Amino acid sequence: DVKVTQSSRYLVKRTGEKVFLECVQDMDHENMFWYRQDPGLGLRLIYFSYDVKMKEKGDIPEGYSVSREKKERFSLILESASTNQTSMYLCASSSLMNTEAFFGQGTRLTVV
Amino acid sequence: AQSVAQPEDQVNVAEGNPLTVKCTYSVSGNPYLFWYVQYPNRGLQFLLKYITGDNLVKGSYGFEAEFNKSQTSFHLKKPSALVSDSALYFCASRYGNNRLAFGKGNQVVVIP
Repeated sequence: DVKVTQSSRYLVKRTGEKVFLECVQDMDHENMFWYRQDPGLGLRLIYFSYDVKMKEKGDIPEGYSVSREKKERFSLILESASTNQTSMYLCASSSLMNTEAFFGQGTRLTVV
Repeated sequence: AQSVAQPEDQVNVAEGNPLTVKCTYSVSGNPYLFWYVQYPNRGLQFLLKYITGDNLVKGSYGFEAEFNKSQTSFHLKKPSALVSDSALYFCASRYGNNRLAFGKGNQVVVIP
């Protein structure tokens, strides 16, 4: 089975901190994604990577950056955390062959 | 723009009754459509997908979905709902470079 693992289930950070969310997948998938989930808004794409060191902005990239130095790992960085970034963050991966994405368990981030 | 709409916020159904969760789509070209389920504080789990072929798609846990091109719909169905089916359901469509656009989600409540 495909496994997508996010490094933390719950995080509490202070306003202004630099925050790193890590995601690792074990199926050699080319594509990796970071989504943000908020009630009533569904999932919104923050960033997308289709290869090592390659990235594309999603719908809401402001205040975020990403890093993909290795194929299996995709990191989301909050440069200076703010309270409006309190949310559930979901990482996903997919291959070029399979069209569906596989998700990690999510990281619930609270910024205080 | 590619988008999916889930017109109902919540669906209540009695255990043993048929369950339908509605989704309409707006995509250019041939649609690639998906359903995912999310249990509390968990990531999304893939249920089923429509790529091409039969309009009735069968998926995990007894769910199926009917693709209707004339009505641009992709409704999720289950003949007999279980209490354990209570969860958040998301419809999604693929666009661009393997990105997924998600609906806002439907909370399904199965009443014992």
